[in-house]
Amino acid sequence: AQRVTQPEKLLSVFKGAPVELKCNYSYSGSPELFWYVQYSRQRLQLLLRHISRESIKGFTADLNKGETSFHLKKPFAQEEDSAMYYCALRANQAGTALIFGKGTTLSVSS
Amino acid sequence: DVKVTQSSRYLVKRTGEKVFLECVQDMDHENMFWYRQDPGLGLRLIYFSYDVKMKEKGDIPEGYSVSREKKERFSLILESASTNQTSMYLCASSYRDRAFDEQYFGPGTRLTVT
Repeated sequence: AQRVTQPEKLLSVFKGAPVELKCNYSYSGSPELFWYVQYSRQRLQLLLRHISRESIKGFTADLNKGETSFHLKKPFAQEEDSAMYYCALRANQAGTALIFGKGTTLSVSS
Repeated sequence: DVKVTQSSRYLVKRTGEKVFLECVQDMDHENMFWYRQDPGLGLRLIYFSYDVKMKEKGDIPEGYSVSREKKERFSLILESASTNQTSMYLCASSYRDRAFDEQYFGPGTRLTVT
């Protein structure tokens, strides 16, 4: 069965501190992995996808197939990073939907 | 600029009422999805559709049905609303068969059933 686990409901850090939002997945094939973000009063939007291997708003995420993880990292948190973050997985086959984790609320305070 | 719109931002209905939630996208996407978003539970897929008149059950289809008569429109129907269906409902769309393709979300409809 496909499953996405985000172990932390809430992560509170100070501005300038490093951030790591954890995501583990369960899927036997080659997954497509994503991070989506929802800022206050905004719609859910894509932050990054593992295939692109790029940094978006200072965030990066590396797929670790051995540990079945896709943790989201940022070296120096900013207050505007405060949001709800969802890790999502899609099976690498046509016609399948995203499976989301339960989400982690990131709170960055000054 | 992709737009996914939902017919209402806020909706209050009574127990037992039939409720229609409408979603429209303007990007000619084949796939459309309905999720519900609840604190501590994340996003759970209710139904999705990969073509007109086609539908697939998601993880929590009980108590819901869907309709897709036109490519751009995907409706979620609560046949007889109950209080446990009070939630935020999110619609999304994407292209079909494109690896790593983004899902675009609507602003959500917050439904309260009293």
